[in-house]
Amino acid sequence: DVKVTQSSRYLVKRTGEKVFLECVQDMDHENMFWYRQDPGLGLRLIYFSYDVKMKEKGDIPEGYSVSREKKERFSLILESASTNQTSMYLCASSFPPTGFGYTFGSGTRLTVV
Amino acid sequence: GNSVTQMEGPVTLSEEAFLTINCTYTATGYPSLFWYVQYPGEGLQLLLKATKADDKGSNKGFEATYRKETTSFHLEKGSVQVSDSAVYFCALRSQGAQKLVFGQGTRLTINP
Repeated sequence: DVKVTQSSRYLVKRTGEKVFLECVQDMDHENMFWYRQDPGLGLRLIYFSYDVKMKEKGDIPEGYSVSREKKERFSLILESASTNQTSMYLCASSFPPTGFGYTFGSGTRLTVV
Repeated sequence: GNSVTQMEGPVTLSEEAFLTINCTYTATGYPSLFWYVQYPGEGLQLLLKATKADDKGSNKGFEATYRKETTSFHLEKGSVQVSDSAVYFCALRSQGAQKLVFGQGTRLTINP
């Protein structure tokens, strides 16, 4: 089974800190995605990547950046954390075409205080 | 643009009740359609999918039929169990796209 592993389940950070969320997949998937999940808003795409060193903005990229130096790892970076970035963050990967759907990690619940 | 609209939650049912969660979509061409489920404290899991009109996806007693004429992909189950309590997401992938577009999710609670 494909596994997508997110490094932390729960994280508490202070306003203004630089925060790194890590995601690793073990099935050689080309595509990787970062979403945030908020009640009533569903899943919103932050950034995605179709290949190493490649990234594209999703629907809500402001305040975030990403890094994909290796195929299996996709990092989400909060440059200067703010309280409105308190959320559940979900990483996913897929092998194109995504007719097979995504495989999701278990999520990181981030609280910014 | 492409979008997915799900029925508002939360939905609360008794065990063995019949379940319907409505999902309609807006997309050009023939998108692929998906239902994902998120159990408490976990990420999303693919529940079922359909890739062309009139296809029926099914898994774990759940079913959904891709209706092109009504742009719908409603999720149904004949007899729900307490273990079906979760959040359910409808999603689509438009032709030629790599990304999924998700609905807002519907929280389902099943009481014994």
